[in-house]
Amino acid sequence: AQSVTQPDIHITVSEGASLELRCNYSYGATPYLFWYVQSPGQGLQLLLKYFSGDTLVQGIKGFEAEFKRSQSSFNLRKPSVHWSDAAEYFCAVGANFGNEKLTFGTGTRLTIIP
Amino acid sequence: NAGVMQNPRHLVRRRGQEARLRCSPMKGHSHVYWYRQLPEEGLKFMVYLQKENIIDESGMPKERFSAEFPKEGPSILRIQQVVRGDSAAYFCASSPALNNEQFFGPGTRLTVL
Repeated sequence: AQSVTQPDIHITVSEGASLELRCNYSYGATPYLFWYVQSPGQGLQLLLKYFSGDTLVQGIKGFEAEFKRSQSSFNLRKPSVHWSDAAEYFCAVGANFGNEKLTFGTGTRLTIIP
Repeated sequence: NAGVMQNPRHLVRRRGQEARLRCSPMKGHSHVYWYRQLPEEGLKFMVYLQKENIIDESGMPKERFSAEFPKEGPSILRIQQVVRGDSAAYFCASSPALNNEQFFGPGTRLTVL
């Protein structure tokens, strides 16, 4: 069965600083990987996804993520955070073909300080 | 193109009542998924449906919960005889056939008194 681990429950960074959110997955084959962002009381917005090809994926709002098969990781990065990036971030893994359900990590809450 | 729509956005029920949550997928999407998010937790898969068919209900509690996606109309998640532990945010997502990208609705926040 697939699983996702987000080891950091809460991260605080200063506005303008760089950001890296960690995500490790467990899946027997090449996974589909996603990062979603959730603002308080809102639904989930897709930031970026990896299906195949280039392991460095560019997303919206200046985010990128890198798929590293050897480390079973898909970490999210942003070179300079903005106060509006404060939110909850979820990493998710999906099976490639067949069952399309997503398995989510428990999320990382990002706080931005001025 | 309107996104995934869910209603109601907030629902309050007393213990023992029934809750009906509705989800209208994006136009052209025939796959619907329901997820539940308990407070301070990530989303947990409940059920995956295509038109008139339940494809995977491995995440659904065995009792009191049911889902449908009829040929016409929205998908419905039904919770009978609600208990306090059912209080959560319920999210619906949809995707087009043969595509694993899921688009999420704003969720229904269920509170059981």
